[in-house]
Amino acid sequence: GESVGLHLPTLSVQEGDNSIINCAYSNSASDYFIWYKQESGKGPQFIIDIRSNMDKRQGQRVTVLLNKTVKHLSLQIAATQPGDSAVYFCAETRSGAGSYQLTFGKGTKLSVIP
Amino acid sequence: DVKVTQSSRYLVKRTGEKVFLECVQDMDHENMFWYRQDPGLGLRLIYFSYDVKMKEKGDIPEGYSVSREKKERFSLILESASTNQTSMYLCASSFLGVANTGELFFGEGSRLTVL
Repeated sequence: GESVGLHLPTLSVQEGDNSIINCAYSNSASDYFIWYKQESGKGPQFIIDIRSNMDKRQGQRVTVLLNKTVKHLSLQIAATQPGDSAVYFCAETRSGAGSYQLTFGKGTKLSVIP
Repeated sequence: DVKVTQSSRYLVKRTGEKVFLECVQDMDHENMFWYRQDPGLGLRLIYFSYDVKMKEKGDIPEGYSVSREKKERFSLILESASTNQTSMYLCASSFLGVANTGELFFGEGSRLTVL
C-alpha cells in the first residue's frame, strides 16, 4: 500500500501470479481516481480510471476496485508479467474544478520475479 | 502520438545558479503542470497553468516560478538553485473541456542535481 515515510513499499510477485496494489485516499470529496504506472527512467503513464459512481472497472488485464466507505482503492493485475515491473501511483481528484488537479499517492514498487 | 518533451534529461548546477527547465507539448492541451518527484514522497505539484500567461501555485511553489508565454510551452524557473531542490522534475499536460478525463500526459523527466 501507500507509505507516508521515505521508504517506497515494494510488492514482489511471481511471474504469472496476480498482483494487488492498494491505496488509501484521504479526501472524502474525491470522486475520480486514476492509476498510473511509472517504469524506470520514464514519466508516469495512465493505466485505468474510475469514477465514484462505480465500484469496479476492468481494462485489459487490470481491474480497479473502489470502496468509498473506507476510502480504499486497489489495482489488480492479472497474470503479472516482467513488463509490469514498475512503480504504481494512485491519484485522486474532485471533479468540477475544470482542470482536474490530481493528488498523487506515494507509490508502490512492483517487482516481478521471473 | 501524444508527446510531452522536456528539454533536458539530466542537469548539474551549482548552488545559487538560475535554472530553466523547459517543457513543450504537441497536443494543444490547455493545462500544463510541473511536478517534483522524490523517493517515498510521490509526486508533488509545484505550479500549473490553465492557459497562456496564467499560472497557479501548487502544493510546493516556494523557490520556483513559471512562465507560459505560448500554449505549447511551460517553463519552470529556479531563481537561485539550492541543494534541497535536487530532484526529478516532471512536466505534464492535460485537455480542458467536456471530454476531460483528468488524464495527465507526462514527459520523461528532468533530473536536476544542485551541488
